[in-house]
Amino acid sequence: GIQVEQSPPDLILQEGANSTLRCNFSDSVNNLQWFHQNPWGQLINLFYIPSGTKQNGRLSATTVATERYSLLYISSSQTTDSGVYFCAVVDYGGSQGNLIFGKGTKLSVKP
Amino acid sequence: DAGVIQSPRHEVTEMGQEVTLRCKPISGHDYLFWYRQTMMRGLELLIYFNNNVPIDDSGMPEDRFSAKMPNASFSTLKIQPSEPRDSAVYFCASSLGAGWNEQYFGPGTRLTVT
Repeated sequence: GIQVEQSPPDLILQEGANSTLRCNFSDSVNNLQWFHQNPWGQLINLFYIPSGTKQNGRLSATTVATERYSLLYISSSQTTDSGVYFCAVVDYGGSQGNLIFGKGTKLSVKP
Repeated sequence: DAGVIQSPRHEVTEMGQEVTLRCKPISGHDYLFWYRQTMMRGLELLIYFNNNVPIDDSGMPEDRFSAKMPNASFSTLKIQPSEPRDSAVYFCASSLGAGWNEQYFGPGTRLTVT
């Protein structure tokens, strides 16, 4: 089945810094989503981005489907950005829809 | 819309007891997914439904687990009998039109089996 790899596994930032999180996937995908799991465990939808670029405030994401990767940019990080960021994909040739999750990037933003 | 609703938010039970987790998908969504999150295995699919019909239950770990969707607005995941290794966070998610469309997750149920 499709493999999803995220890097880096851990990231510590000073408040105000910028960061880039990467997601590599091993096959064509129908869907790619970025989630933020906050310290209370909730999975928050950030982007639905099977291809192209989107921006939402300080966050933006780019997926280059032909090269099988996606990037999540966080600018001017805040302590509330702390948590785990997951990339998840739906295998293009697989079932109708289950998301395959990466292991996540754990982000800690220090004041 | 209120989003995906799950109950209870936390459940603590003793080994051998029956546990029932509940989910109400976003109104109008025709796909419903049950995922489980553990430290060892991360987030993984257990089962999903389309128009109330189970489509893929290959992720259900064993016969102790069962899921139903009696109508478009309600689903249950049942564990009977529960075991300590079932301790995890169980998420319900829903999507509209196709499973590869954007999936929205509920807040999860944190299950602890002692």
